[in-house]
Amino acid sequence: EPEVTQTPSHQVTQMGQEVILRCVPISNHLYFYWYRQILGQKVEFLVSFYNNEISEKSEIFDDQFSVERPDGSNFTLKIRSTKLEDSAMYFCASSEGIAAYNEQFFGPGTRLTVL
Amino acid sequence: GQSLEQPSEVTAVEGAIVQINCTYQTSGFYGLSWYQQHDGGAPTFLSYNALDGLEETGRFSSFLSRSDSYGYLLLQELQMKDSASYFCAVRDSVDYKLSFGAGTTVTVRA
Repeated sequence: EPEVTQTPSHQVTQMGQEVILRCVPISNHLYFYWYRQILGQKVEFLVSFYNNEISEKSEIFDDQFSVERPDGSNFTLKIRSTKLEDSAMYFCASSEGIAAYNEQFFGPGTRLTVL
Repeated sequence: GQSLEQPSEVTAVEGAIVQINCTYQTSGFYGLSWYQQHDGGAPTFLSYNALDGLEETGRFSSFLSRSDSYGYLLLQELQMKDSASYFCAVRDSVDYKLSFGAGTTVTVRA
């Protein structure tokens, strides 16, 4: 069964450093998303991406964040200068379409720890 | 914006039935979904309701009342493997963002 994959599974970085989180969405999906989940809290929407551009973003997704689809398979989230409060689990997801009935498939997540 | 309310935790024994309620406030409603998450792993889709009524998928059912801005997830014949966090999520009809509730931790005891 096709699945969303993410690398690395765990990333440790120093405050102020740049990190790139990588995702490979399901191949025939057109919409891609990033979410984050701070330990013990709810899943929070960061950004959605379609047709090589951001379609929606939340208040969390400020200028420190950027997304890119550098090739036909990868979808990346870059945090330019990490802060302690960026420590969280970051989930990538993809869906066939944008409609509510289009199930979003989540990857296993990358646990980001900022020291 | 959106806000969702669901209970923080529920404990039940194997074989029991658990109902997790979710009330929501949203500027535009495009459907209520439920996701299951084990131990901080990937959330997995369980069900979706766009119209009022009950949707049944095996041991799990989901209900929606749009007039009450309310839905629930019903877990029947509880098994130990059902111990997990369950999130309700609404899709906004304006910006299509999926917003999650805080999650309900279900603990199943023998």
